[in-house]
Amino acid sequence: GAGVSQTPSNKVTEKGKYVELRCDPISGHTALYWYRQSLGQGPEFLIYFQGTGAADDSGLPNDRFFAVRPEGSVSTLKIQRTERGDSAVYLCASSLRDGASGANVLTFGAGSRLTVL
Amino acid sequence: SQQGEEDPQALSIQEGENATMNCSYKTSINNLQWYRQNSGRGLVHLILIRSNEREKHSGRLRVTLDTSKKSSSLLITASRAADTASYFCATDLYGNNRLAFGKGNQVVVIP
Repeated sequence: GAGVSQTPSNKVTEKGKYVELRCDPISGHTALYWYRQSLGQGPEFLIYFQGTGAADDSGLPNDRFFAVRPEGSVSTLKIQRTERGDSAVYLCASSLRDGASGANVLTFGAGSRLTVL
Repeated sequence: SQQGEEDPQALSIQEGENATMNCSYKTSINNLQWYRQNSGRGLVHLILIRSNEREKHSGRLRVTLDTSKKSSSLLITASRAADTASYFCATDLYGNNRLAFGKGNQVVVIP
């Protein structure tokens, strides 16, 4: 598509419930990132995919968080047994690393705002 | 942990004035990037400066990089009300595929 698409844009859930957040990256972008942003803070890295595999999942806060990208395009971030502290905006980004400079410029989606009551 | 740390955190200026914000980082970088975020949603890439560059311009934006001090500055000249946003620096580290973001600068341009 023309940009990175994230759904839902807003999700309100109750403590203990399961949540899935979806990201549809720019077509042809092999790298996909999930970040989490709390109010007044910068984006915090969660996980990075290169193709279908999770190349770096060191930012996932605990084993309640999991993400997949089965066909190397759309990705789903899954949060089990949600807690109030999980409330944040979850941002997805994709990139095509610049061949000449090796620079990694990210294109972000609008984010999914998760509120856990 | 966040690599970049911006300073100051909030800036309020009159339209037409210049806005300057700073960012410091801790380790060697491949490049440093600045992003803008409106209304707490998606970030938009503004400008990238490589580790072997000292200054770069793009329209009304001017970025400097001092690798000896591990710091960067972003200058927005002749600010407009539409420049009201949060601005984040992000470092791209050698051998690392993630961007590490700072806490951001909130800039308010008063018409």
